[in-house]
Amino acid sequence: EAQVTQNPRYLITVTGKKLTVTCSQNMNHEYMSWYRQDPGLGLRQIYYSMNVEVTDKGDVPEGYKVSRKEKRNFPLILESPSPNQTSLYFCASTPTGGYQPQHFGDGTRLSIL
Amino acid sequence: AQSVAQPEDQVNVAEGNPLTVKCTYSVSGNPYLFWYVQYPNRGLQFLLKYITGDNLVKGSYGFEAEFNKSQTSFHLKKPSALVSDSALYFCAVRPASGGSYIPTFGRGTSLIVHP
Repeated sequence: EAQVTQNPRYLITVTGKKLTVTCSQNMNHEYMSWYRQDPGLGLRQIYYSMNVEVTDKGDVPEGYKVSRKEKRNFPLILESPSPNQTSLYFCASTPTGGYQPQHFGDGTRLSIL
Repeated sequence: AQSVAQPEDQVNVAEGNPLTVKCTYSVSGNPYLFWYVQYPNRGLQFLLKYITGDNLVKGSYGFEAEFNKSQTSFHLKKPSALVSDSALYFCAVRPASGGSYIPTFGRGTSLIVHP
């Protein structure tokens, strides 16, 4: 089954404790991206990647890091999480061709205390 | 820079009545436009897209959308709403040429269909 898998789905942690949210897709898509969803703000893009070793900042990259060492994986790293990063996070992948829709994971709900 | 406006935070409609969820956009050149739906505790699911051609686009679950270039709008419609259509709906846009392949999303509109 074609899918985007995020882990963990839920995480409660404390300020300053490094965490990684993994994202994996099995569709051989070139493009991957991370969004955060906050009430009243919709989806805001954090980082995106156009291919292996090619990443770029989105609209709200501060406090986040990403890497794309393999085509299928695109982890999101919070090196020193803060309470304002409490949010619902989504990973998405897209095949080549700007007319193609994105495939989304089911989300990761992070609570930073 | 591209942008999307969904002017209504919430739309309420009675089951069986037609529904419209509004979207206007701003982009350089021609747009690629998308609608997605989000059910509770799930990621966004693709509903339909406009690339080129016929201004009326049909998608999943009986939804359709009308592209209006002069009004820069792409409103989502359904002739007869179901209670199961209640969800969060997102409109997204990217330029047809140039720019990032990653689209910009609106803030979302919560659709509530009453029995």
